[in-house]
Amino acid sequence: EVQLVESGGGLVQPGGSLRLSCVGSGFTFSSYWMHWVRQAPGQGLVWVSRINGDGRTTSYADSVKGRFTISKDTARNTLYLQMNSLRDEDSAVYYCTRGPRDGSGNYYPGDNWGQGSLVTVSS
Amino acid sequence: QSALTQPASVSGSPGQSITISCTGTSSDVGGYNSVSWFQQHPGKVPKLMIFEVTNRPSGVSNRFSGSKSGNTASLTISGLQAEDEADYYCTSYTSSSVWVFGGGTKVTVL
Repeated sequence: EVQLVESGGGLVQPGGSLRLSCVGSGFTFSSYWMHWVRQAPGQGLVWVSRINGDGRTTSYADSVKGRFTISKDTARNTLYLQMNSLRDEDSAVYYCTRGPRDGSGNYYPGDNWGQGSLVTVSS
Repeated sequence: QSALTQPASVSGSPGQSITISCTGTSSDVGGYNSVSWFQQHPGKVPKLMIFEVTNRPSGVSNRFSGSKSGNTASLTISGLQAEDEADYYCTSYTSSSVWVFGGGTKVTVL
């Protein structure tokens, strides 16, 4: 059974930093692209970032580019999201999701999701 | 990276069919077949319902179907049931090598 378990969320002041972790099990972690998706309270889903199987290729939404860094440790089956220069608008539940390959060759987000980690940015 | 456009709400009576639209541009929905749909019940984690425009993951009811025409993708729910009441989101790959979600549609079963 595929499982994704996030941790690392919490309350942080504007301008602060936080690192989220997501441990994967039940699948070959190094073979999958992984994504982070966030959802502010009462709002919709927003794609944040993705990383390829070996961790060498990354992409970011414009809203977090230059502030967030996605990475993965395949030996530990762990995905990370380092969040710096946090803003009020970054407050959200952050989900890690697995990204399988579709027939078009793109690695779409979301065939399996973690339970989410709440990040609150507030003074 | 503008969000895809979805209607805020769609409603239908039990047994009816409803369709949710997801409109983008030629740089996302219109340019790629990498369009997915998710269902999210309140307080729950999103669930993949459709991937690659028309494909259903194992375990998803065949009452859910996807299609695409031009820059608009659609999710159709046939034989609407009370348990289908939820929020639905589309997502698409884009020419910027990133993904974008729609704003979400609240489905109400009357």
